[in-house]
Amino acid sequence: QLQLQESGPGLVKPSETLSLTCTVSGGSINSSSYYWGWVRQPPGKGLEWIGSIYYSGSTYYNPSLQTRVTISVFTSKNQFSLKLSSVTAADTAVYYCARQGRSGAYDFWGQGTLVTVSS
Amino acid sequence: QSVLTQPPSVSGAPGQRVTISCTGSSSNIGAGYDVHWYQQLPGTAPKLLIYGNTNRPSGVPDRFSGSKSGTSASLAISGLQAEDEADYYCQSYDSSLSGWVFGGGTKLTVL
Repeated sequence: QLQLQESGPGLVKPSETLSLTCTVSGGSINSSSYYWGWVRQPPGKGLEWIGSIYYSGSTYYNPSLQTRVTISVFTSKNQFSLKLSSVTAADTAVYYCARQGRSGAYDFWGQGTLVTVSS
Repeated sequence: QSVLTQPPSVSGAPGQRVTISCTGSSSNIGAGYDVHWYQQLPGTAPKLLIYGNTNRPSGVPDRFSGSKSGTSASLAISGLQAEDEADYYCQSYDSSLSGWVFGGGTKLTVL
């Protein structure tokens, strides 16, 4: 069974860079059938798509976050990562990594990790 | 404000049928992009419920069904059960925004 697990600091200072890693187990990230993505959810609010990456390294980002987001893939480690720069309190959220099929649906999700932006 | 509009809340008694709407526009659902639905139980990650407008992943009960028409889509839940109480989200692609968008979410209460 495919599993995804987010890891990274739970507290980030304003203006600094948020960095998270998603480790994939039970399957290969090196698949032409899927994208791998990040979705976030501010406390008590809805879901927001951040961006996605293909195993080849092709990326596409939410235009509203594009200037601050970098998603990378590390096929040898079966991992992909998220970096979000110049964070503010508005970036406080549960961050999920997930697998995205060709239809665009996210069929496997990590459990999520809460990242709080505060000094 | 979400590009895809969902009612904030719906409710129904056990055994009843409820529907949750997801209203979009000509740049997303109306442009022919697929709609997907997720169920999020309290404190957990979203779970894929319906993909490609009408398809259920393995393991999802047939009490859950999806439909799409024009610029809108709907999720129907029949034979409501207490464990269906959760938040539900729709998702599609928007060509104007060049990205994936989610509805604002609907909280289902089982009375």
